[in-house]
Amino acid sequence: GQQLNQSPQSMFIQEGEDVSMNCTSSSIFNTWLWYKQEPGEGPVLLIALYKAGELTSNGRLTAQFGITRKDSFLNISASIPSDVGIYFCAGQPLYNFNKFYFGSGTKLNVKP
Amino acid sequence: ETGVTQTPRHLVMGMTNKKSLKCEQHLGHNAMYWYKQSAKKPLELMFVYNFKEQTENNSVPSRFSPECPNSSHLFLHLHTLQPEDSALYLCASSQEWGQPQHFGDGTRLSIL
Repeated sequence: GQQLNQSPQSMFIQEGEDVSMNCTSSSIFNTWLWYKQEPGEGPVLLIALYKAGELTSNGRLTAQFGITRKDSFLNISASIPSDVGIYFCAGQPLYNFNKFYFGSGTKLNVKP
Repeated sequence: ETGVTQTPRHLVMGMTNKKSLKCEQHLGHNAMYWYKQSAKKPLELMFVYNFKEQTENNSVPSRFSPECPNSSHLFLHLHTLQPEDSALYLCASSQEWGQPQHFGDGTRLSIL
């Protein structure tokens, strides 16, 4: 099946730093989603992207739908301790828009 | 409060037991999903129900048996599980099949 490559696998950063992570696929995607999962909880939808080149913000989070339609990026500015968690990308391929494929996640650690 | 409630939150069972996981969504959605989440792996889609009809079964072993009595409730019946079935089982719902999903907090399942 379709695989998404999400990187980095984990990050250790200092509070106040900016964070970047990305997700790539081998197929063209219609939709990209970004989720955050905190310990003991389920993934929470942060941002949804529907159009190539689209740039969408949610507070300090900004995500972009890559113009090749095969990648997406998530940036977090001025990180704070509550940003800790695992960030997942999910994509919906052009050939099957009833299905979402998920990345393996980027684990973010923020040192106060 | 995610709008998707899963019970129990934790379950320990022996390989010969029979138990059920329950999911209820209060969002008025028409599609519901079961996922398996194992450490450092992408979410694995198990089953999809759309308007109470099963639309997807991703080659899941028959020891997992889903049931969807109405659009708000989803069950996963378990019997004769294996140790490798230990994982976090997540339920999700979406307005329509193929739209962004909202997740519950999961049931942490441990098979002894």
